[in-house]
Amino acid sequence: KQEVTQIPAALSVPEGENLVLNCSFTDSAIYNLQWFRQDPGKGLTSLLLIQSSQREQTSGRLNASLDKSSGRSTLYIAASQPGDSATYLCAVRSSGTYKYIFGTGTRLKVLA
Amino acid sequence: ETGVTQTPRHLVMGMTNKKSLKCEQHLGHNAMYWYKQSAKKPLELMFVYNFKEQTENNSVPSRFSPECPNSSHLFLHLHTLQPEDSALYLCASSKGGVRGSRTDTQYFGPGTRLTVL
Repeated sequence: KQEVTQIPAALSVPEGENLVLNCSFTDSAIYNLQWFRQDPGKGLTSLLLIQSSQREQTSGRLNASLDKSSGRSTLYIAASQPGDSATYLCAVRSSGTYKYIFGTGTRLKVLA
Repeated sequence: ETGVTQTPRHLVMGMTNKKSLKCEQHLGHNAMYWYKQSAKKPLELMFVYNFKEQTENNSVPSRFSPECPNSSHLFLHLHTLQPEDSALYLCASSKGGVRGSRTDTQYFGPGTRLTVL
Protein backbone atom coordinates (compact mmCIF):
# COMPACT_ATOMS: atom_id res chain seq x y z
CA LYS A 1 0.00 0.00 0.00
CA GLN A 2 1.45 3.32 -1.10
CA GLU A 3 2.03 5.89 1.63
CA VAL A 4 3.18 9.44 1.04
CA THR A 5 4.89 11.56 3.70
CA GLN A 6 5.83 15.22 3.54
CA ILE A 7 8.34 16.89 5.79
CA PRO A 8 8.28 19.46 7.28
CA ALA A 9 4.60 19.97 8.02
CA ALA A 10 5.13 23.72 8.24
CA LEU A 11 7.90 26.07 7.25
CA SER A 12 8.43 29.79 7.74
CA VAL A 13 11.22 31.57 5.88
CA PRO A 14 12.23 35.16 5.10
CA GLU A 15 11.70 36.45 1.60
CA GLY A 16 14.47 35.68 -0.87
CA GLU A 17 15.53 32.36 0.59
CA ASN A 18 15.92 29.25 -1.50
CA LEU A 19 14.05 26.34 0.05
CA VAL A 20 13.42 22.64 -0.35
CA LEU A 21 10.26 20.72 0.39
CA ASN A 22 10.46 16.97 0.78
CA CYS A 23 8.16 14.14 -0.21
CA SER A 24 8.78 10.45 0.39
CA PHE A 25 6.80 7.44 -0.79
CA THR A 26 6.95 3.78 0.18
CA ASP A 27 6.37 1.99 -3.14
CA SER A 28 8.83 2.90 -5.90
CA ALA A 29 6.64 1.42 -8.67
CA ILE A 30 5.06 4.68 -9.66
CA TYR A 31 3.47 6.05 -12.82
CA ASN A 32 4.11 9.68 -12.02
CA LEU A 33 4.38 12.18 -9.18
CA GLN A 34 2.82 15.62 -8.97
CA TRP A 35 3.33 18.67 -6.85
CA PHE A 36 0.29 20.82 -6.17
CA ARG A 37 -0.23 24.17 -4.52
CA GLN A 38 -3.28 24.92 -2.38
CA ASP A 39 -4.16 28.40 -1.19
CA PRO A 40 -6.31 28.71 1.96
CA GLY A 41 -9.90 27.66 1.34
CA LYS A 42 -9.25 26.92 -2.31
CA GLY A 43 -8.70 23.98 -4.61
CA LEU A 44 -5.42 22.52 -5.79
CA THR A 45 -3.34 23.82 -8.66
CA SER A 46 -0.89 21.49 -10.38
CA LEU A 47 2.64 22.89 -10.38
CA LEU A 48 4.80 20.14 -11.81
CA LEU A 49 4.28 16.56 -12.97
CA ILE A 50 7.22 14.18 -13.19
CA GLN A 51 6.79 10.97 -15.14
CA SER A 52 8.42 7.83 -13.78
CA SER A 53 11.08 7.92 -16.50
CA GLN A 54 12.10 11.50 -15.67
CA ARG A 55 14.51 12.80 -13.05
CA GLU A 56 13.30 16.38 -12.79
CA GLN A 57 10.97 19.05 -14.10
CA THR A 58 11.33 22.81 -14.01
CA SER A 59 8.88 25.67 -14.22
CA GLY A 60 10.13 29.17 -13.54
CA ARG A 61 11.52 29.31 -10.00
CA LEU A 62 10.32 25.78 -9.25
CA ASN A 63 12.30 22.61 -9.77
CA ALA A 64 11.07 19.17 -8.78
CA SER A 65 13.30 16.11 -8.70
CA LEU A 66 12.43 12.44 -8.51
CA ASP A 67 14.51 9.56 -7.19
CA LYS A 68 12.38 6.44 -7.48
CA SER A 69 14.95 4.09 -6.02
CA SER A 70 15.03 5.97 -2.73
CA GLY A 71 11.32 6.86 -2.83
CA ARG A 72 11.91 10.59 -2.69
CA SER A 73 10.99 13.79 -4.45
CA THR A 74 11.99 17.33 -3.64
CA LEU A 75 10.46 20.63 -4.66
CA TYR A 76 13.02 23.41 -4.83
CA ILE A 77 11.76 26.99 -4.74
CA ALA A 78 14.31 29.64 -5.66
CA ALA A 79 14.24 33.20 -4.34
CA SER A 80 11.04 32.72 -2.37
CA GLN A 81 8.40 35.47 -2.36
CA PRO A 82 5.45 36.22 -0.05
CA GLY A 83 3.16 35.14 -2.89
CA ASP A 84 4.62 31.63 -2.59
CA SER A 85 2.90 31.25 0.78
CA ALA A 86 0.53 28.29 0.48
CA THR A 87 0.30 24.60 1.25
CA TYR A 88 2.29 22.38 -1.09
CA LEU A 89 1.00 18.85 -1.67
CA CYS A 90 2.78 15.89 -3.17
CA ALA A 91 0.73 13.17 -4.89
CA VAL A 92 1.88 9.83 -6.24
CA ARG A 93 0.18 7.66 -8.83
CA SER A 94 1.30 4.06 -8.50
CA SER A 95 1.82 1.83 -11.52
CA GLY A 96 -1.29 -0.05 -12.58
CA THR A 97 -3.68 2.34 -10.84
CA TYR A 98 -5.32 5.63 -11.65
CA LYS A 99 -5.50 6.83 -8.07
CA TYR A 100 -3.31 9.52 -6.64
CA ILE A 101 -2.18 9.12 -3.04
CA PHE A 102 -1.62 12.48 -1.41
CA GLY A 103 0.66 13.56 1.38
CA THR A 104 -0.61 15.83 4.14
CA GLY A 105 1.28 18.79 2.72
CA THR A 106 3.83 21.38 3.81
CA ARG A 107 2.39 24.72 4.87
CA LEU A 108 4.80 27.41 3.70
CA LYS A 109 4.88 30.99 4.89
CA VAL A 110 7.29 33.44 3.27
CA LEU A 111 7.78 36.56 5.35
CA ALA A 112 8.20 39.96 3.70
CA GLU B 1 -9.89 29.96 -13.24
CA THR B 2 -9.28 26.24 -13.59
CA GLY B 3 -12.35 25.37 -15.64
CA VAL B 4 -13.88 23.39 -12.78
CA THR B 5 -16.59 25.10 -10.78
CA GLN B 6 -18.27 23.99 -7.58
CA THR B 7 -21.41 25.23 -5.87
CA PRO B 8 -22.13 26.12 -3.20
CA ARG B 9 -18.78 27.30 -1.88
CA HIS B 10 -19.97 27.07 1.72
CA LEU B 11 -22.72 24.93 3.22
CA VAL B 12 -23.97 24.55 6.76
CA MET B 13 -26.46 21.79 7.39
CA GLY B 14 -28.06 19.93 10.23
CA MET B 15 -27.77 16.18 10.59
CA THR B 16 -31.32 15.64 9.34
CA ASN B 17 -31.02 17.83 6.24
CA LYS B 18 -30.65 16.73 2.63
CA LYS B 19 -28.45 18.81 0.38
CA SER B 20 -26.47 18.42 -2.84
CA LEU B 21 -23.07 19.60 -3.99
CA LYS B 22 -22.60 20.40 -7.64
CA CYS B 23 -19.49 20.27 -9.80
CA GLU B 24 -19.20 21.32 -13.43
CA GLN B 25 -16.18 21.10 -15.69
CA HIS B 26 -15.81 23.10 -18.88
CA LEU B 27 -12.68 21.33 -20.10
CA GLY B 28 -14.12 18.47 -22.12
CA HIS B 29 -12.61 15.94 -19.72
CA ASN B 30 -13.72 12.33 -19.43
CA ALA B 31 -13.12 11.53 -15.77
CA MET B 32 -14.45 13.28 -12.68
CA TYR B 33 -13.59 12.75 -9.04
CA TRP B 34 -14.87 13.61 -5.56
CA TYR B 35 -12.32 14.06 -2.78
CA LYS B 36 -12.71 14.80 0.91
CA GLN B 37 -10.14 16.99 2.67
CA SER B 38 -10.27 16.99 6.47
CA ALA B 39 -7.98 18.99 8.71
CA LYS B 40 -4.53 17.43 9.08
CA LYS B 41 -5.42 14.42 6.92
CA PRO B 42 -4.42 13.64 3.35
CA LEU B 43 -6.94 14.10 0.58
CA GLU B 44 -9.20 11.06 0.45
CA LEU B 45 -10.58 9.87 -2.86
CA MET B 46 -14.31 9.17 -2.51
CA PHE B 47 -15.75 8.47 -5.96
CA VAL B 48 -14.53 8.29 -9.53
CA TYR B 49 -16.58 8.52 -12.71
CA ASN B 50 -15.00 7.52 -15.99
CA PHE B 51 -17.01 8.39 -19.11
CA LYS B 52 -20.09 8.80 -16.84
CA GLU B 53 -19.69 5.34 -15.31
CA GLN B 54 -18.78 5.00 -11.66
CA THR B 55 -15.51 3.13 -11.40
CA GLU B 56 -14.63 3.74 -7.79
CA ASN B 57 -16.44 3.88 -4.49
CA ASN B 58 -13.73 4.09 -1.89
CA SER B 59 -15.72 2.56 0.98
CA VAL B 60 -17.75 5.73 1.35
CA PRO B 61 -20.80 5.59 3.68
CA SER B 62 -24.15 5.45 1.94
CA ARG B 63 -25.14 8.85 3.33
CA PHE B 64 -23.01 10.18 0.45
CA SER B 65 -24.59 9.46 -2.93
CA PRO B 66 -22.88 10.55 -6.17
CA GLU B 67 -24.56 11.21 -9.48
CA CYS B 68 -23.01 11.86 -12.88
CA PRO B 69 -25.72 12.66 -15.45
CA ASN B 70 -23.17 13.55 -18.16
CA SER B 71 -19.44 13.93 -18.52
CA SER B 72 -19.54 17.62 -17.55
CA HIS B 73 -21.56 17.45 -14.35
CA LEU B 74 -21.07 15.66 -11.08
CA PHE B 75 -23.23 15.82 -7.97
CA LEU B 76 -22.79 14.63 -4.42
CA HIS B 77 -26.09 14.13 -2.61
CA LEU B 78 -25.89 14.35 1.16
CA HIS B 79 -28.35 13.07 3.76
CA THR B 80 -28.27 12.38 7.50
CA LEU B 81 -24.64 13.43 7.77
CA GLN B 82 -22.59 13.38 10.94
CA PRO B 83 -20.48 16.20 12.43
CA GLU B 84 -17.32 14.28 11.46
CA ASP B 85 -18.33 14.69 7.82
CA SER B 86 -17.49 18.39 8.09
CA ALA B 87 -14.67 18.98 5.61
CA LEU B 88 -13.70 20.58 2.32
CA TYR B 89 -15.15 18.57 -0.57
CA LEU B 90 -13.16 18.90 -3.76
CA CYS B 91 -14.15 17.97 -7.27
CA ALA B 92 -11.57 17.26 -9.96
CA SER B 93 -11.50 16.21 -13.58
CA SER B 94 -8.91 14.73 -15.93
CA LYS B 95 -8.72 14.58 -19.69
CA GLY B 96 -8.07 11.09 -20.85
CA GLY B 97 -10.30 9.15 -18.49
CA VAL B 98 -8.94 7.27 -15.53
CA ARG B 99 -6.45 5.34 -17.68
CA GLY B 100 -5.16 8.53 -19.25
CA SER B 101 -1.64 9.28 -20.33
CA ARG B 102 1.35 9.70 -18.06
CA THR B 103 1.05 13.47 -18.42
CA ASP B 104 -2.63 13.74 -17.56
CA THR B 105 -3.13 15.88 -14.53
CA GLN B 106 -6.22 16.47 -12.46
CA TYR B 107 -7.80 19.89 -12.46
CA PHE B 108 -9.46 20.83 -9.19
CA GLY B 109 -12.39 23.04 -8.36
CA PRO B 110 -12.30 25.49 -5.45
CA GLY B 111 -14.18 23.13 -3.15
CA THR B 112 -17.27 23.30 -0.96
CA ARG B 113 -16.63 23.92 2.73
CA LEU B 114 -19.22 21.78 4.49
CA THR B 115 -20.13 22.17 8.16
CA VAL B 116 -22.49 19.66 9.76
CA LEU B 117 -24.06 20.80 13.00
